[in-house]
Amino acid sequence: KNEVEQSPQNLTAQEGEFITINCSYSVGISALHWLQQHPGGGIVSLFMLSSGKKKHGRLIATINIQEKHSSLHITASHPRDSAVYICAPHSGGGADGLTFGKGTHLIIQP
Amino acid sequence: GAGVSQSPSNKVTEKGKDVELRCDPISGHTALYWYRQSLGQGLEFLIYFQGNSAPDKSGLPSDRFSAERTGGSVSTLTIQRTQQEDSAVYLCASSSIAGPSNEQFFGPGTRLTVL
Repeated sequence: KNEVEQSPQNLTAQEGEFITINCSYSVGISALHWLQQHPGGGIVSLFMLSSGKKKHGRLIATINIQEKHSSLHITASHPRDSAVYICAPHSGGGADGLTFGKGTHLIIQP
Repeated sequence: GAGVSQSPSNKVTEKGKDVELRCDPISGHTALYWYRQSLGQGLEFLIYFQGNSAPDKSGLPSDRFSAERTGGSVSTLTIQRTQQEDSAVYLCASSSIAGPSNEQFFGPGTRLTVL
């Protein structure tokens, strides 16, 4: 089973700061998802990546397959970015190969 | 267009009762997933439907849990003889492309409380 570690578990920052959330996993993967869960529970898929880097607005996700590590960056953070960010690597095969991290609780203060 | 919907949004039941949770995926999405999110825990895979194939039930925690998907669209997750440890948010997700490496669209979840 893929062991997924996210860091930090909790992060409070000021509006405008550059945010980095890290995800490490133990088993080789075919793809990795970054998800955002807002208070109230709704989950949105931010990125799905299998190599390199993806950018969407102020969000950037990178992955290093060899090092089994991915990062999610938020530039010019805003209070509306406050949410739980979840990393989910897929080690291939069936749906049970998708493992979810426990999430990083991010609070951006105005 | 309409996203994934789930009902009820909240369900409170007594230990030992059966419950049914419903998921309406995005129209045309052939893949459907059920997950469970317990307090303080990460998401946990339960079951995966893909088209007309036999479902992947490898995540179901016990034989009290079952799910079906009628007509390749709506899905129902049934928990029989509920226990307090079943209390969690149950999330459904759908995808237009087979396989969990592809983007999934999540519903708002059903919060189940077993007293």
